[in-house]
Order: sequence, then C-alpha cells, then structure tokens
Amino acid sequence: DVKVTQSSRYLVKRTGEKVFLECVQDMDHENMFWYRQDPGLGLRLIYFSYDVKMKEKGDIPEGYSVSREKKERFSLILESASTNQTSMYLCASSLSWGDLEQYFGPGTRLTVT
Amino acid sequence: EDKVVQSPLSLVVHEGDTVTLNCSYEVTNFRSLLWYKQEKKAPTFLFMLTSSGIEKKSGRLSSILDKKELFSILNITATQTGDSAIYLCAVESAGAQKLVFGQGTRLTINP
Repeated sequence: DVKVTQSSRYLVKRTGEKVFLECVQDMDHENMFWYRQDPGLGLRLIYFSYDVKMKEKGDIPEGYSVSREKKERFSLILESASTNQTSMYLCASSLSWGDLEQYFGPGTRLTVT
Repeated sequence: EDKVVQSPLSLVVHEGDTVTLNCSYEVTNFRSLLWYKQEKKAPTFLFMLTSSGIEKKSGRLSSILDKKELFSILNITATQTGDSAIYLCAVESAGAQKLVFGQGTRLTINP
C-alpha cells in the first residue's frame, strides 16, 4: 500500500511566522503535489513537483514556496503566514508522468491567528 | 481556464436510497476524469474514466462518462451510513500533468 504521511494533523501558528509542512511518501513516486482545501472551493493546487529539485506552480502559488531535495519528501513553506492561509493542506503523490491516480496524505489543518 | 463543477454541493438521504452525483467540466484536451471519496481525512481513489459510455463499477458504486456532453455521474445504490463522505470529481487535461478538482459533494446518509 502506498503511504503518504504529513508531519502534523493540526497546527496553530501566528501571523508572520514561517511555517513548514512536510510530506513523505514511501513508494518511490516521482510526482508530488500540495493542495489546499476550503469549504465550497474544493481542492486547489498550490505547487507540484515531477522530480527531485523540480517544481511547478499550480493554480494558487502566491504566498507559498516548496522544496524537494529528496524524492520521497516534498515540503510546503509559508514564508510569512497570514490568516487567509488558514486551511486544510493535503499532500498527494503519483507514480510518474502520465499517471494521474493520486494518493493522498491525511491532511494538516493549519490555523493562523 | 479549466473548470469542474459538481452538483449538488450537499445531499442528505436515508439509508437504502439511491443517489446520483453530477460532475460537469470544461477543459482543454480532456484526458481523464477521476472520482475520489473523502471521509474524515485522505481522499481515496474510486474510479478513473477515459472513454465515453463505458461504465465503471465497484460494488454498489458505478460511474459513467459522457464526453460529448462533458459530464460524469457517480451512482450509489442501496446507500449505507458508511457512504457518508465528500465525493470529489477531478479532471486532467492532456499534457497538464495535474488535476483540476470540483468543489465536492457532501453526502450524508441518515439511518
């Protein structure tokens, strides 16, 4: 079974803090994704990566950056957290280019106060 | 801009009822449509549809794609309380290597 894990289930941070969300997958998948999920808006893609050190902007990259130094790990960084970044963050992975069946982690519910 | 719209956004039915969830889309160079089920945490994959008119089936769940009318439906027969979840529809456009998700349908099954 593919396992995608995220570093925290719940996180509370203050406005202006730097926030790191970590995601690890154990199935040697090439592609990894970060989404945020908000009521009424569904899942929106923030960034994705199809290889180590490669990254592509998704639909809402503003205010976020990512890092993929190792194949199994994809980090989402909020350089200066703001209240409008309060959301559920979901990480996902898929096997390779052309494989769109994504496996999701359990999510991190981030609250920025 | 690629767009996926699901309806209804919320649905409450009684156990044993049959439900139909809808997903319509507008994407350039459609490649595939996927359905996911999300209970308390991670969305889990249900179906991938690429060809029009071919039903995918898994137990009480089934789904079909209409590429001419640009929509898909997800049917659940003899619903059970364990079917309560958010159902997500997502579409991929060829070459984009990413999914565009709809808003989700929150399905609640009452005993």
